[in-house]
Amino acid sequence: QVQLVQSGAEVKEPGASVKVSCKASGYTFSSYDVNWVRQAAGQGLEWMGWMNPNSGNTGYSQKFQGRVTMTRNISITTAYMELRSLRSEDTAVYFCARPGVYGNYMDVWGTGTTVTVSS
Amino acid sequence: DIQMTQSPSSLSASVGDRVTITCRASQAITIYLAWYQQKPGKVPKLLIYDASTLQSGVPSRFSGSGYWTDFTLTISSLQPEDVATYYCQKYNSAPFTFGPGTKVDIK
Repeated sequence: QVQLVQSGAEVKEPGASVKVSCKASGYTFSSYDVNWVRQAAGQGLEWMGWMNPNSGNTGYSQKFQGRVTMTRNISITTAYMELRSLRSEDTAVYFCARPGVYGNYMDVWGTGTTVTVSS
Repeated sequence: DIQMTQSPSSLSASVGDRVTITCRASQAITIYLAWYQQKPGKVPKLLIYDASTLQSGVPSRFSGSGYWTDFTLTISSLQPEDVATYYCQKYNSAPFTFGPGTKVDIK
């Protein structure tokens, strides 16, 4: 079945970087974009950006421009999201998500990765 | 960028009640609106896309309607397992902004 399995929880100090992985299985990885969404504790969902695995093209929310990079390794069907210059406000659960067949709604969600930024 | 709003921010209703949540886009998005359900500690789940198309496996008591800028999610008969936060999302073009969410619980 279609699955997105993410890497484990991370604890980082302010100013550091984090790289979260999202392993796709059960479908043709290069045929669907990968989106990243985050959620701080008790808060709503925040869309961060998308990456096309086939071309490597990306589109980022203005809020994260210059601080986020989304990449992929097609050979191991894995997408990555790297966030730099971490601050306490970046403490959140980060999700990868795959769009649906008919549009950019989020059809399949990853397992989630908790990133804690603390000194 | 297009902003998404939802109302109410929370509601409490009895089992069997009809529940309606509203989502509004600051500019036209035609039908490119999805609804998600998120239970505490769980991953969001797609309920409806293209404003009114029910995702496979979602109970028929959920329905969506609307076009252009104004949309609604309706639960025809609220069940205990529907306790969750519901989010709308626009996806006509990036950024794929979510609404702030509506928390639904049982009275």
